[in-house]
Amino acid sequence: DAGVTQSPTHLIKTRGQQVTLRCSPKSGHDTVSWYQQALGQGPQFIFQYYEEEERQRGNFPDRFSGHQFPNYSSELNVNALLLGDSALYLCASSTLAGAPNNEQFFGPGTRLTVL
Amino acid sequence: RKEVEQDPGPFNVPEGATVAFNCTYSNSASQSFFWYRQDCRKEPKLLMSVYSSGNEDGRFTAQLNRASQYISLLIRDSKLSDSATYLCVVIHTGGSYIPTFGRGTSLIVHP
Repeated sequence: DAGVTQSPTHLIKTRGQQVTLRCSPKSGHDTVSWYQQALGQGPQFIFQYYEEEERQRGNFPDRFSGHQFPNYSSELNVNALLLGDSALYLCASSTLAGAPNNEQFFGPGTRLTVL
Repeated sequence: RKEVEQDPGPFNVPEGATVAFNCTYSNSASQSFFWYRQDCRKEPKLLMSVYSSGNEDGRFTAQLNRASQYISLLIRDSKLSDSATYLCVVIHTGGSYIPTFGRGTSLIVHP
């Protein structure tokens, strides 16, 4: 049983560019959450998708957008990249049933560097 | 004041030691609490949930103090393999279930 997978593992972009990160959830999971983790900090919640809709959103600007597909996989898009967007982007999957007490399973992350 | 606060450490302890971490939270409506472990350059993984009555899993004990708004993690008989960053996670109600992570506490267990 494959766990949560993310692609790419590393990415280098320049300021002003746009980036798309991808996530496939653990088998049987229907909910995908995205987090940004800056160096030395804990993960910060960006948003969560369920049934192809954004269900909750953290304190991130509209430059951060996402999508969930019928197969539950998800994308995170960031427009007009800033130097401060450099971070590890983590995807976590879970099931909506049992929320908020159920475990989230994290993928290995995509390390984004903005130059 | 941050919603969830942790002492970043590092906590340097010898093998076999007992070590405890605290995590304070500011929202009294917080409902669910967890400890995650994150190894260097790896993803976080659930260590244990924290229940109101406290709970134990082998060498690990988690407790919740709602009156003082903190959770704790106690590790007994530390192993070298316990070296990692320990993240506390708090979820509060109020129309959403957004998990808030602390910045993590770094533990280094040395021989």
